[in-house]
Amino acid sequence: DAKTTQPPSMDCAEGRAANLPCNHSTISGNEYVYWYRQIHSQGPQYIIHGLKNNETNEMASLIITEDRKSSTLILPHATLRDTAVYYCIVRVLNTDKLIFGTGTRLQVFP
Amino acid sequence: DSGVTQTPKHLITATGQRVTLRCSPRSGDLSVYWYQQSLDQGLQFLIQYYNGEERAKGNILERFSAQQFPDLHSELNLSSLELGDSALYFCASSVWGEETQYFGPGTRLLVL
Repeated sequence: DAKTTQPPSMDCAEGRAANLPCNHSTISGNEYVYWYRQIHSQGPQYIIHGLKNNETNEMASLIITEDRKSSTLILPHATLRDTAVYYCIVRVLNTDKLIFGTGTRLQVFP
Repeated sequence: DSGVTQTPKHLITATGQRVTLRCSPRSGDLSVYWYQQSLDQGLQFLIQYYNGEERAKGNILERFSAQQFPDLHSELNLSSLELGDSALYFCASSVWGEETQYFGPGTRLLVL
């Protein structure tokens, strides 16, 4: 079972920041939070990951709360090409497999 | 482009048949993972290989098998196919000890 909870869908206006929340209240101390996205039926695309500090890369920022029970993925300037299903994943200890939940379907509109 | 390649892109076959899906990992990656994505089950982990050895098993049916060859490419064999096996099959790769998995474009299997 997925260890994360995400809203099923969100909308965002093009050019605005998209903030996608994720709840992972049962996360263990050394489990990472990963974000992937899947555009239409393409292969999932890695976005970002973090342990407890906030992270930023060329695609997005990841904000993890101090208690690590939730996080937010931020796309600073959403474009139409960011329309996708976004998956928040907690990596299972001692194995590299990813457990995908149902994700958040982000629709960016003009 | 993730650097992971999968062939074929599309596959149409009949129930009871056997098919082989192929995956070439990114250069230097030793681990290969297979995932299945169906409409009713979402993305599910099937199996992982590391440097030719099976490393982890997920919800993989006994009719399915996989292997990783010395050149590190991997094949997923699906036999006695059923209508419910129709799905997207993704391969991902990573360097051992590296957290990030990179996914290929997938193989869309349709069983008629």
